[in-house]
Amino acid sequence: DAGVIQSPRHEVTEMGQEVTLRCKPISGHNSLFWYRQTMMRGLELLIYFNNNVPIDDSGMPEDRFSAKMPNASFSTLKIQPSEPRDSAVYFCASSRDRDDYGYTFGSGTRLTVV
Amino acid sequence: AQKVTQAQTEISVVEKEDVTLDCVYETRDTTYYLFWYKQPPSGELVFLIRRNSFDEQNEISGRYSWNFQKSTSSFNFTITASQVVDSAVYFCALRRVTGGGNKLTFGTGTQLKVEL
Repeated sequence: DAGVIQSPRHEVTEMGQEVTLRCKPISGHNSLFWYRQTMMRGLELLIYFNNNVPIDDSGMPEDRFSAKMPNASFSTLKIQPSEPRDSAVYFCASSRDRDDYGYTFGSGTRLTVV
Repeated sequence: AQKVTQAQTEISVVEKEDVTLDCVYETRDTTYYLFWYKQPPSGELVFLIRRNSFDEQNEISGRYSWNFQKSTSSFNFTITASQVVDSAVYFCALRRVTGGGNKLTFGTGTQLKVEL
């Protein structure tokens, strides 16, 4: 099992540019989560999908953030336009419904907006 | 609302010392899951343990042990004979059994530094 795969691992972009983060969940997992980690706010849930449907997006900071899950094996998190305060590590995680073992996290994408 | 508090921001110990990381949680649910994750300097988040709220047995795995006290809403994590490789940030997390999907609520983490 390849685990949860995120790309890119690192992204440096200029303020105002569009950034797209990608995630491939573990095959057979039907829940997918996007988290953001910063020193100030710790781990924050941005959005999660169940069976490709967004269930809770209350953590999405503002309209500049959007997430999609067009199929069971792929999700994107897009920031447009990006701002320096978006700099953080973005984690994707997946799990099965009623999976007692929490999530499996990807390695994260470290985003730096300059 | 769910809340997880890890009051210890940073702990430093000398190798071979025992260390306990505290976790206190708040929930109105009668059944829930508790978790610990480890985040080493490399950055990934590694699952360590899950505990059901209806199972208050303590658990030991090698040098790691967990003490679940439902009466005090605590789920503390002890590392015995700490090693430098234990240096990491450790997160406690809570998940509802019903409702809320699989959403995990994380504490703010405890940075553990184990020195020679």
